[in-house]
Amino acid sequence: AQSVSQHNHHVILSEAASLELGCNYSYGGTVNLFWYVQYPGQHLQLLLKYFSGDPLVKGIKGFEAEFIKSKFSFNLRKPSVQWSDTAEYFCAVSTGGGNKLTFGTGTQLKVEL
Amino acid sequence: GAGVSQSPSNKVTEKGKDVELRCDPISGHTALYWYRQRLGQGLEFLIYFQGNSAPDKSGLPSDRFSAERTGESVSTLTIQRTQQEDSAVYLCASSLNRNSGNTIYFGEGSWLTVV
Repeated sequence: AQSVSQHNHHVILSEAASLELGCNYSYGGTVNLFWYVQYPGQHLQLLLKYFSGDPLVKGIKGFEAEFIKSKFSFNLRKPSVQWSDTAEYFCAVSTGGGNKLTFGTGTQLKVEL
Repeated sequence: GAGVSQSPSNKVTEKGKDVELRCDPISGHTALYWYRQRLGQGLEFLIYFQGNSAPDKSGLPSDRFSAERTGESVSTLTIQRTQQEDSAVYLCASSLNRNSGNTIYFGEGSWLTVV
């Protein structure tokens, strides 16, 4: 069965700092990769997704992620974070053409003014 | 509806009691999922429904957990004889169908506390 690892559990940054959140998965076949975000008091929302094609995926609010197949990674990046990016970020993977997601444990990001 | 709706939003129950959690998916979505998130952990898949196909129950942690869905509408997740380790946020989600190209939309969750 596939699994997803997010190594950073808590990240604290100052506004305008650059962000990179790590995500690694274990599965040898074709994968679909996702980043979800949960802002305080809100439900989970899709940030971006990768199915095929260009491994550099652009999402909402200036976020991007790069799929590196050889490293089984799908790290999330943002060049300059804002206070409003404070949230919990979840990496997820689906396999086999289905839509059942396996999630990582999440990374709590706090952006300080 | 506009989004995935779940009720109750919060539930406190005594150990040993049964609870029912309800999910109303986005209208027209044939795929419906239940996930659980315990404190400090990621989301765990529980069960998913796709139209009239047999549900994928592979994530249900024990036979105390069951779920039903009537057609392509409301789903109910039932936990019998609740235990303290059942305390978690139970998240429902839906998508247009089970194809991986479809975005999964989540509800706000039902917070269950077993005391």
